[in-house]
Amino acid sequence: AQTVTQSQPEMSVQEAETVTLSCTYDTSESDYYLFWYKQPPSRQMILVIRQEAYKQQNATENRFSVNFQKAAKSFSLKISDSQLGDAAMYFCAYDMRFGAGTRLTVKP
Amino acid sequence: KAGVTQTPRYLIKTRGQQVTLSCSPISGHRSVSWYQQTPGQGLQFLFEYFSETQRNKGNFPGRFSGRQFSNSRSEMNVSTLELGDSALYLCASSPQYNEQFFGPGTRLTVL
Repeated sequence: AQTVTQSQPEMSVQEAETVTLSCTYDTSESDYYLFWYKQPPSRQMILVIRQEAYKQQNATENRFSVNFQKAAKSFSLKISDSQLGDAAMYFCAYDMRFGAGTRLTVKP
Repeated sequence: KAGVTQTPRYLIKTRGQQVTLSCSPISGHRSVSWYQQTPGQGLQFLFEYFSETQRNKGNFPGRFSGRQFSNSRSEMNVSTLELGDSALYLCASSPQYNEQFFGPGTRLTVL
């Protein structure tokens, strides 16, 4: 079965610092896409970043980047220069499967 | 482009009733997926429709059903509501690569 695991229910980071959210997944496919989504308190889920498994280069979107380790089936999200607006639930996703989420708190 | 819209935004029903939720995808998106989000179970996949056909299905009882129309709009129906069906129901549309664009959700409360 395809599963997505986020082992950190909550994380906290100081404003302007860097934080890494972890995600592992299980699949027998060789070509697939992985995603990180953000759900702020307003509840609107938005896409943060996407990684294509056949690309070895880690995806980057401004302050957000991933560390994709295909062999280890690991897909972590790094947020640099954290801002107050980054506070939200972050979900890792593979296909239609989502992890349990990590609640990120940003301290001023 | 307009985003994914869901109606109604809030709904209160009583046990045993049935409910229909509606989702209008982003123009041009042919895939529509439905998710149930609860504090205890997180985000769980219900089903996905593509070109009016159910393409994927999660592990939910038959009380949960859906359909998609020729204009890609989708509806989700829950019959014989139970207290445990209280949740935020999210709809998402997708152009390709399984990248999901989510709507604001429908908050269903079952009393």
